[in-house]
Parts: sequence; C-alpha cells; structure tokens
Amino acid sequence: EVQLVESGGGLVQPGRSLRLSCTASGFTFGDYAMSWVRQAPGKGLEWVGFIRSKAYGGTTEYAASVKGRFTISRDDSKSIAYLQMNSLKTEDTAVYYCTRSLGGAFDIWGQGTMVTVSS
Amino acid sequence: DIVMTQTPLSSPVTLGQPASISCRSSQSLVHSDGNTYLSWLQQRPGQPPRLLIYKISNRFSGVPDRFSGSGAGTDFTLKISRVEAEDVGVYYCTQATQFPYTFGQGTKLEIK
Repeated sequence: EVQLVESGGGLVQPGRSLRLSCTASGFTFGDYAMSWVRQAPGKGLEWVGFIRSKAYGGTTEYAASVKGRFTISRDDSKSIAYLQMNSLKTEDTAVYYCTRSLGGAFDIWGQGTMVTVSS
Repeated sequence: DIVMTQTPLSSPVTLGQPASISCRSSQSLVHSDGNTYLSWLQQRPGQPPRLLIYKISNRFSGVPDRFSGSGAGTDFTLKISRVEAEDVGVYYCTQATQFPYTFGQGTKLEIK
C-alpha cells in the first residue's frame, strides 16, 4: 500500500526549532518529488515547499512565508523527507502534510502532524 | 504569485442534483512544456486532502466518474453530476505550473 506517515509535531515555543519527518512506503521514494503543505486551524491549504528527486538535482523551492527559516531535505535510503523548521512563529501553527508530487499534482497525502507554536 | 479564486465559497446542494465549482487563475496556467497543471482536491471533514482531478480533466485512480473537470488557460470547472452524501467537504483547486504553488480558498459543499 502506498503510504506517507508524518511525525515530529508537537508544542514548541516561538523562536525554537522542530523537525518533521515523512516516512514513505509502498513506492520507490527516490523517484518522486515531495512537497509539504500546511493547514492552519479552520483555514485553507498553504503550500510550504518542494524537493525534487535526485534525478532532477534534489533541489528545493519554498513559499516566501518560510524561506530562510524552513529547510526540506530527503534521505532516499530511508524513504524519508524532512522539514526542518527554525525560528518558529505563532503563525506557523498548523497541521503539516507531506504529499507526493506526480505530474504536477499532489497525488498521495499523509494524515498530517500538528505543530503548535505557543509560549 | 498566481492567485487562484474559487466561486462559490459555499454550495448547498440537494442529494442527487449536480454541483459545479469554478476556479479562476490570475494568469495562464499553461506551462512551457504545453501542460496545464491545474488539479482539484477534496477534503472531507477531519481527513487529509485527496486528489480528484489532475491536469484539468484527468480523474485520479479510484475517483468516481460523477466527478469531471474542464477548462483551459485561466478558467476551470469541477462538476459533480449527482451529489452523494459522501461528497460533503471542502474542494480546492491548485496550480503547479509555477512556483510558488498556490491553492484556491476552498469551496464548502454541503447538503441542503
């Protein structure tokens, strides 16, 4: 079964850091680009960032709201994508989803992990 | 950034009746490779989003054929031919033609 499982969420103080993980199974992880998308409580979806597969350089793209604070990486040997979040702000509070990117669409989604930034 | 605007934001529909959601982009979604990376997602209450339609009109695996997508350039539509109870939720259009990827505000489909 094709599956994505996020982990690492929790309560964190403003200004601190947190690293989320997205563990993939059921497909050849290294062949795919991956994205992170977040959803603040009661709000819509916001794209956070994207990492290309190694075949396309493994490079990254970010939303302006997180650029310079968040970093996406991947470990294809472990089938894991990471979202390193630094200098967290209260407005980063959201459910964070990882999603597989295929042909310009988010075709597989994880269940999400909640990140709460509060003092 | 490409702004995606959905209408309506809320759509009360009678079971068995059709529903339609419009999505307009602030600029053309035709990519330099000739594809148009416009897709539609469904988010049922308490669930993660689920892909319904990709590249304007292609149904994703397992999506019922009562869902269809159409459009071109900057104007796109998602249609449900006969709404069922399980279709309740929020629908989002999204573009992956240009970074940053962007989403519409979401359209809440509810049963009258």
